[in-house]
Parts: sequence; structure tokens; C-alpha cells
Amino acid sequence: EADIYQTPRYLVIGTGKKITLECSQTMGHDKMYWYQQDPGMELHLIHYSYGVNSTEKGDLSSESTVSRIRTEHFPLTLESARPSHTSQYLCASSRTGNYGYTFGSGTRLTVV
Amino acid sequence: KNEVEQSPQNLTAQEGEFITINCSYSVGISALHWLQQHPGGGIVSLFMLSSGKKKHGRLIATINIQEKHSSLHITASHPRDSAVYICAVESGGGADGLTFGKGTHLIIQP
Repeated sequence: EADIYQTPRYLVIGTGKKITLECSQTMGHDKMYWYQQDPGMELHLIHYSYGVNSTEKGDLSSESTVSRIRTEHFPLTLESARPSHTSQYLCASSRTGNYGYTFGSGTRLTVV
Repeated sequence: KNEVEQSPQNLTAQEGEFITINCSYSVGISALHWLQQHPGGGIVSLFMLSSGKKKHGRLIATINIQEKHSSLHITASHPRDSAVYICAVESGGGADGLTFGKGTHLIIQP
């Protein structure tokens, strides 16, 4: 049973639309992450959060924004979707200390 | 930033074969992760290692910190093991996530 939930699973949307990808975890993890993965390529970190009201940009430049108002919720927003945003977006969480990561099932976004 | 190299990139084997996937990284790390990604896209964490060896069922992961190298082994491989296996490393401290290898695409034929 998944402890980290991403919605929607698949999304096809027109250029210029605003979208929000949802990510929620029920494990009380303080750290949360968004990764972007193009087909056949490795994952790249685009945003992360240490905890509530903390957000940082990752290694890969992204036009998306994130917020962390509640521990369990880490949504990612694109104000104006473009075809170049077509990709898979994976959310993950972990907690401070030598613990592993839990990944969501991903959102596969297609912008037409 | 760490670089993570995996080999082979693609591997096709027959059911029952012993599988080895290798991972090398370039700088100091606090932990190394082996992950499994199925065609649907979701990722499952298999192992987290900082030293030595771990075993879970038919899967074995080893790490040599001095040589900056890790291996993932699958014994008695089965078609359901077909997936992309990803090596990822994390540096010490902070919350800046994992650095990933490109993955090894494994196909086990019946």
C-alpha cells in the first residue's frame, strides 16, 4: 500500500494552461522532493523541501514552483504549461537521518 | 556534484541466470540506493547501503566504499524481474536528494 500519493497519474493539457501536480505522504516525513524524468533518461531533482515553509530549487532548472504549507503536502505548479514541460514528474519523501526514500507512482504530463 | 555510472545500460538474459549490475560513483557519499522502476513509472526502493552487503530474497547488494563501487545481483532471475534498475547516491548532510545513474534496462526472457 502506497504511503505517498501522486495525482493525477496521467495528464494531457493544452499549452498555456495552469496545472498543479499533487503529492501527499502519510508517513510524517520532513523531507520531500520533486524529480523530473524524460523518457529513457535519469531522474533530475527540480525542487526539495526540508519541512514546512521551506522550499529549495534542485539541480535542474525548472519553471515550476512548489509550496510546503503542511508537512504531508508538497504540490508542484506550472503557471503556463508548454510542450517542453512534457515529462514524468516523481515525488519522493524521506526523514532526517539514515533512512531510505519512498517514491510516488509519478505523474506523466503531456502538454499539447 | 557526484557522477553515477551504471553498466550495462541494457541486459537481456534467460530465466534462471545470475544477473549482475554495476554502479560506480566519483566522490564521497553517505549512502547508495538501488531502486527498481517498472514500465508504469513508479519507483520502488530495493536497498540503501553505506557499507558491506545486504540481501533480500533473491536480491543481493554490495558496496566497496574504497573503490567507490556497488553491485546489484539477482539470483535465479525470473521474467517478473524485468525492469529498470537504478543506482542513486546521496552525499552527507542536507536535504538535497539523490543523484541518479541512467539505469540498467533488464529483460529476463522465459
